[in-house]
Amino acid sequence: EPEVTQTPSHQVTQMGQEVILRCVPISNHLYFYWYRQILGQKVEFLVSFYNNEISEKSEIFDDQFSVERPDGSNFTLKIRSTKLEDSAMYFCASRGTYYEQYFGPGTRLTVT
Amino acid sequence: DAKTTQPPSMDCAEGRAANLPCNHSTISGNEYVYWYRQIHSQGPQYIIHGLKNNETNEMASLIITEDRKSSTLILPHATLRDTAVYYCIVILTGTASKLTFGTGTRLQVTL
Repeated sequence: EPEVTQTPSHQVTQMGQEVILRCVPISNHLYFYWYRQILGQKVEFLVSFYNNEISEKSEIFDDQFSVERPDGSNFTLKIRSTKLEDSAMYFCASRGTYYEQYFGPGTRLTVT
Repeated sequence: DAKTTQPPSMDCAEGRAANLPCNHSTISGNEYVYWYRQIHSQGPQYIIHGLKNNETNEMASLIITEDRKSSTLILPHATLRDTAVYYCIVILTGTASKLTFGTGTRLQVTL
């Protein structure tokens, strides 16, 4: 059964450093998403992406964040200059035929 | 998207049916009800969705009331692996359809 994969599973970085989180969505899906979940809090929407463009973004997704689909399979989330408060689980998702979303296992980002 | 209300927690004995309610009284005619669950810190998992008819798949059944103001997710024979937080989310399809997660219902399945 096809699934969404994410790498790395855990990323530790120092404050101010750039990080790139990688996702491989399900191959025939066209809509992709990033969500994050700070420990003990709700899952929060960050951004949706379709046809090589951002289709919607939340207030969290400021100029420090960017997304890209550099080739036909990968979907990346970049944080340019990480802050302590960026520490969270980051989930990638892709959307199926009936608008259901399939989530990856997540990347745990720890900013020190 | 319509707001949903779920009980914060429920318990269920293993092997019994787990019935998880959701209230979505402001749902509009073309909004769908989706259910997801999150087991510990794993990525959320899609379970089932519906518009107005009852739906069943290999994981669960979804019962939507005739007025569509509430729904119930049924796990027919709950197992310990079904212990998770269950989210009821109403979305309007045909858009980017982001998911807005609430606090959900924490289902604890016990022996």
